[in-house]
Amino acid sequence: DAGVIQSPRHEVTEMGQEVTLRCKPISGHDYLFWYRQTMMRGLELLIYFNNNVPIDDSGMPEDRFSAKMPNASFSTLKIQPSEPRDSAVYFCASSLMGAQAEGYTFGSGTRLTVV
Amino acid sequence: QQPVQSPQAVILREGEDAVINCSSSKALYSVHWYRQKHGEAPVFLMILLKGGEQKGHEKISASFNEKKQQSSLYLTASQLSYSGTYFCGTEVPGNQFYFGTGTSLTVIP
Repeated sequence: DAGVIQSPRHEVTEMGQEVTLRCKPISGHDYLFWYRQTMMRGLELLIYFNNNVPIDDSGMPEDRFSAKMPNASFSTLKIQPSEPRDSAVYFCASSLMGAQAEGYTFGSGTRLTVV
Repeated sequence: QQPVQSPQAVILREGEDAVINCSSSKALYSVHWYRQKHGEAPVFLMILLKGGEQKGHEKISASFNEKKQQSSLYLTASQLSYSGTYFCGTEVPGNQFYFGTGTSLTVIP
C-alpha cells in the first residue's frame, strides 16, 4: 500500500481565497482523522470520520472549515474564506481500530501558507 | 486534557540513554508513542494498553502505569537516527484521543 496520500504538499494562497486539501486513506482503514499542527498549539484534532461518517467535529475552529468523506477512499478539508492564522501543516491520518498494534498512519501533510 | 510531556527538550551524545515522560490528568485506556522528524509526518512507534505493560522496539521501549496515568519512553544507547520530536498520544474515556506537548530529542556525535 502507498500509505496515506495527501495533496497538495504545499499551498500558498491569498487571504479570502478558498482552499481544499485532499486525502486518500489506506485501503481498509475505517477511521480517518484531520489534524492541524502549529508550533504554538502542537497537533490539534480537527475532525474524524468512522466508516465515512463524521463522528466528532468539535475541533473544527469555526464555520469557515468544513470536511467531507464521500467514500471510503477520499476526504477533503475545505477552508473558505482562508485567513493568515490558518497557516499550518495539515495532516490526514487513518487507522484500523481494533488492530491495536498499528496506531495511526499519517500522510505527508499539506503545508498551507495564507498571505 | 492534553497530556504533558517532560522534558520539553533534551540533547544527548550518541550512546547515551534518555527517558521521556507523559502524564495525563484523565484515566487512560491506552498510550501511543510517535516520532516526528523535522519536516515529516509523525510515525507510529508503539501502543500500550491497560495493564501496566511494558513494550520494546529494538532499543526503544515504553512502560504504562495506568494508576498514575503516566507512560514513559526509554531510549537506550541512542543513535543519530533517534533525533526528532516524540509525542505521546492518550486514549481516554469517551473515545477521546489527545497528543502530548512533544519532546524534542537531539542526538549529537
